[in-house]
Amino acid sequence: EAQVTQNPRYLITVTGKKLTVTCSQNMNHEYMSWYRQDPGLGLRQIYYSMNVEVTDKGDVPEGYKVSRKEKRNFPLILESPSPNQTSLYFCASSFAGRSTDTQYFGPGTRLTVL
Amino acid sequence: GQQLNQSPQSMFIQEGEDVSMNCTSSSIFNTWLWYKQEPGEGPVLLIALYKAGELTSNGRLTAQFGITRKDSFLNISASIPSDVGIYFCAGQAEGGADGLTFGKGTHLIIQP
Repeated sequence: EAQVTQNPRYLITVTGKKLTVTCSQNMNHEYMSWYRQDPGLGLRQIYYSMNVEVTDKGDVPEGYKVSRKEKRNFPLILESPSPNQTSLYFCASSFAGRSTDTQYFGPGTRLTVL
Repeated sequence: GQQLNQSPQSMFIQEGEDVSMNCTSSSIFNTWLWYKQEPGEGPVLLIALYKAGELTSNGRLTAQFGITRKDSFLNISASIPSDVGIYFCAGQAEGGADGLTFGKGTHLIIQP
């Protein structure tokens, strides 16, 4: 089944403890992206990648890192999480290297930073 | 970054009514997209618009790319209970990088 998977789905952590949220897609998509969703703010793009080894900042990249060492995986790294990073995170991918192609979203990761 | 103003924030309607929502931007957009998100899931693309003036339908949904390239509209005709959810507009600004900007969403609630 074609899908975007994220792990973990739920995470509660403490300030400063490094964490990684994994994202994997099995559709051979070139474009992958991370968003955070907060009440009243909609979805905001954190980072995106148009292909392997190519990553770019979105609208809210501060406090996050990403890597794209292989096509299928696009992990989101929080080196030193803070409470303002408590949010619902979505990974997405699309076939061609454009955000405007049909993006398939993962199920979301709900992160709480205490 | 770019900002999209989406309205209304929420709508309470009766089943069978038509629905209209819109998004506006202060800058020109090359592409407009409309997504729907249901509880506990990620957004799903409904309609994509690539040319100014373009009018595209997907079943009971119709969306238009504004002529000024600074706005877009989504209409849902004869609403049914499964239309409940949050609808997001999104777009790519002209001259910008390949990022995507989302509106804040319209929460649609249907009363039977």
